[in-house]
Amino acid sequence: QKEVEQNSGPLSVPEGAIASLNCTYSDRGSQSFFWYRQYSGKSPELIMFIYSNGDKEDGRFTAQLNKASQYVSLLIRDSQPSDSATYLCAVNPNTGTASKLTFGTGTRLQVTL
Amino acid sequence: DVKVTQSSRYLVKRTGEKVFLECVQDMDHENMFWYRQDPGLGLRLIYFSYDVKMKEKGDIPEGYSVSREKKERFSLILESASTNQTSMYLCASSYQITDTQYFGPGTRLTVL
Repeated sequence: QKEVEQNSGPLSVPEGAIASLNCTYSDRGSQSFFWYRQYSGKSPELIMFIYSNGDKEDGRFTAQLNKASQYVSLLIRDSQPSDSATYLCAVNPNTGTASKLTFGTGTRLQVTL
Repeated sequence: DVKVTQSSRYLVKRTGEKVFLECVQDMDHENMFWYRQDPGLGLRLIYFSYDVKMKEKGDIPEGYSVSREKKERFSLILESASTNQTSMYLCASSYQITDTQYFGPGTRLTVL
């Protein structure tokens, strides 16, 4: 079982709709969760991070964390064509002082006009 | 703003050559990372460093080595490049090892 799983997509949503991106993780002790956006040919850039159960909002983006069910999601409201990118979920498995982030393979989002 | 720079955006090398990829960060971050990214496989950690002269193997260290002589600089070395090392190489840095990682622009390496 992969440590961090994402549907590879593509996820296609019309402009103005809500895009919902999901990520599940295997390590129940994971403590912090990150969403990165990666445009084609570019490097990942941080969108937001979340540590606590519940929702965290930042502009059009909302991260949702449910540790009991071991999933974290990213909602993008009022999707724009410029949101078309691959979204990477990253998890801190918190296995010790030398623990490091584990990345999912990403979900490709296409926002259509 | 955190700035992570990588020595080259594109690099073409021949099989058997020794290849150096360099990464520099300007935020006094303790931790630096080297990943490779391939279609369908996502980001895979090659090596990371949590202090000067300290390094730890990641998930796929075979065929690679690293050097961190100064805090701001982390080098990835391909001792004898092979065609299966053709990939996008990404460097990242973070303040704490489980913190947000900031990525450089990447180096697309082609080994012929």
